Amino acid sequence: ETGVTQTPRHLVMGMTNKKSLKCEQHLGHNAMYWYKQSAKKPLELMFVYSLEERVENNSVPSRFSPECPNSSHLFLHLHTLQPEDSALYLCASSQEGTSGANVLTFGAGSRLTVL
Amino acid sequence: GQNIDQPTEMTATEGAIVQINCTYQTSGFNGLFWYQQHAGEAPTFLSYNVLDGLEEKGRFSSFLSRSKGYSYLLLKELQMKDSASYLCAVRDGDYKLSFGAGTTVTVRA
Repeated sequence: ETGVTQTPRHLVMGMTNKKSLKCEQHLGHNAMYWYKQSAKKPLELMFVYSLEERVENNSVPSRFSPECPNSSHLFLHLHTLQPEDSALYLCASSQEGTSGANVLTFGAGSRLTVL
Repeated sequence: GQNIDQPTEMTATEGAIVQINCTYQTSGFNGLFWYQQHAGEAPTFLSYNVLDGLEEKGRFSSFLSRSKGYSYLLLKELQMKDSASYLCAVRDGDYKLSFGAGTTVTVRA
């Protein structure tokens, strides 16, 4: 496996369900991110982990709970979501703290539908 | 907050040239990125500008003017596979990355 891998690719859940999105990066990067992508809207940054510590939390509702057990894995735990949470959730990683562009590498995303 | 504007949609013919403009207003500046995203796929990195001027990479070029808060992505010799969404993103003074809503480019035969 190379790059950034996200599972599942598609998820349908009811508002009372609990589910988790998983992300794994094979690039040796030290920072990982969750973004939300809704139709016709800019990517919204949700959470950032740098060296496994959360450094950014953009006023995301508590029904989204991130977890970063190590530098290669990132989870997004979902609980009692709302239909407006239906979107594409993108994971990304980057190597921070070095000179240069610090380019984000994205996964293909998890398409979430909340009924 | 940050404000990044780009056109919603553009259509062009195979073999032609298309220029996607991006204007931004951010608190500080530490680089501008362009990403390409095909439907159902991950955004992939195309280019990075931190100094004024033109960066060329094969059929794709990106231009930056920091004083004008302006960038463009130029796609030359368009191919059908270039049909995608193109995302402009700016890293601000706190090194946070903000994205525009994306420009959907449709290439017609």
